[in-house]
Amino acid sequence: GAGVSQSPSNKVTEKGKDVELRCDPISGHTALYWYRQSLGQGLEFLIYFQGNSAPDKSGLPSDRFSAERTGGSVSTLTIQRTQQEDSAVYLCASSLGLAGGSYEQYFGPGTRLTVT
Amino acid sequence: GNSVTQMEGPVTLSEEAFLTINCTYTATGYPSLFWYVQYPGEGLQLLLKATKADDKGSNKGFEATYRKETTSFHLEKGSVQVSDSAVYFCALSDITSGTYKYIFGTGTRLKVLA
Repeated sequence: GAGVSQSPSNKVTEKGKDVELRCDPISGHTALYWYRQSLGQGLEFLIYFQGNSAPDKSGLPSDRFSAERTGGSVSTLTIQRTQQEDSAVYLCASSLGLAGGSYEQYFGPGTRLTVT
Repeated sequence: GNSVTQMEGPVTLSEEAFLTINCTYTATGYPSLFWYVQYPGEGLQLLLKATKADDKGSNKGFEATYRKETTSFHLEKGSVQVSDSAVYFCALSDITSGTYKYIFGTGTRLKVLA
């Protein structure tokens, strides 16, 4: 079946512009996660959703970052007034339920964001 | 707070050599531990996991044992192949802390030469 998909695969934007990154999880997966992978860094947790609710937003780097999920499916990560330090690969993952031992996270291919 | 530390790469080995990639963690509760692998041009995928102390996760010839006394989860393989060349990430999830986020290490790049 279809895996996690993300769009666009690559995005180049000018500093100060807003960007939207999209994630389509595996059908039926109730949990959805966003991560950021910067060059030479590990994966940095940003936010997770259980259904449409985001109980933990502590990983969002600043108030320029926001995310929403509608219909328990597609999620959008929005970065406003992009800065060069936002350049990274943004990864989305989904799982049948909340992970932590019981459920495997399935990762999408990522969106590579470059802010010029 | 929770954290994961793994050995820096790159690690370069000859085919059939023994592999160890070290991973240690800090956690306030009782975490589950994971190894994820990212093959060239592909997304991350779960390699193995262990959910409690002394558990051994294994898959594709790789194994790792959850050692609470040393807070470690080292990845090992007895005989690596060229196809094992990838980036390996150690991660933990500590639901006892009340949140379901994962903490990942910085990744270790493995290159296996024929």
